[in-house]
Amino acid sequence: DSGVTQTPKHLITATGQRVTLRCSPRSGDLSVYWYQQSLDQGLQFLIQYYNGEERAKGNILERFSAQQFPDLHSELNLSSLELGDSALYFCASSVGGQIGRGWYEQYFGPGTRLTVT
Amino acid sequence: DQQVKQNSPSLSVQEGRISILNCDYTNSMFDYFLWYKKYPAEGPTFLISISSIKDKNEDGRFTVFLNKSAKHLSLHIVPSQPGDSAVYFCAATPLSGSARQLTFGSGTQLTVLP
Repeated sequence: DSGVTQTPKHLITATGQRVTLRCSPRSGDLSVYWYQQSLDQGLQFLIQYYNGEERAKGNILERFSAQQFPDLHSELNLSSLELGDSALYFCASSVGGQIGRGWYEQYFGPGTRLTVT
Repeated sequence: DQQVKQNSPSLSVQEGRISILNCDYTNSMFDYFLWYKKYPAEGPTFLISISSIKDKNEDGRFTVFLNKSAKHLSLHIVPSQPGDSAVYFCAATPLSGSARQLTFGSGTQLTVLP
């Protein structure tokens, strides 16, 4: 158990709909990351937040957005869903902050499997 | 453009023998490298990491070697056990800047045969 929790575990929805995925980082971790794993693409970085602020953006579509709240949990919002958005979405967390204290190791949650029909 | 490559999609090894998983990278900005193990229906699990200032890091049965000049790293598992059967991903990140996203390889499915 990594200590990172994600809800829901599975989500089935129709094209055009909007969903919200939730992530709670490990206790004490300030950085949250979102990754997408689709069948043909492997693990792709979407976005990083550090202590409530956006820190880095990867190949995240404009239809997708995220935020990190004061209690450090994060939500990934996916809207106008398309069939191609079906994937596993992983959240990861790391300590962040001072270099040298395991700053770079990211610990992953169990993922949310999104199926768009 | 794949910046982190794992050219072997699969590897089978006999229990008790050594497993060697390979990874190549092209981005010179990468300074920190990590290996993750993934079982089906679970998130990736952190295994071991190495900084570019080192060429070897050991943790129990797992050793990671880094050859900076060749932009190549490898994960050695000795001795291999059936429970090691999983997909192994290598990942890389730069140390400079404030962003810490990981760039992953496509993974290698390791099967350890009893």
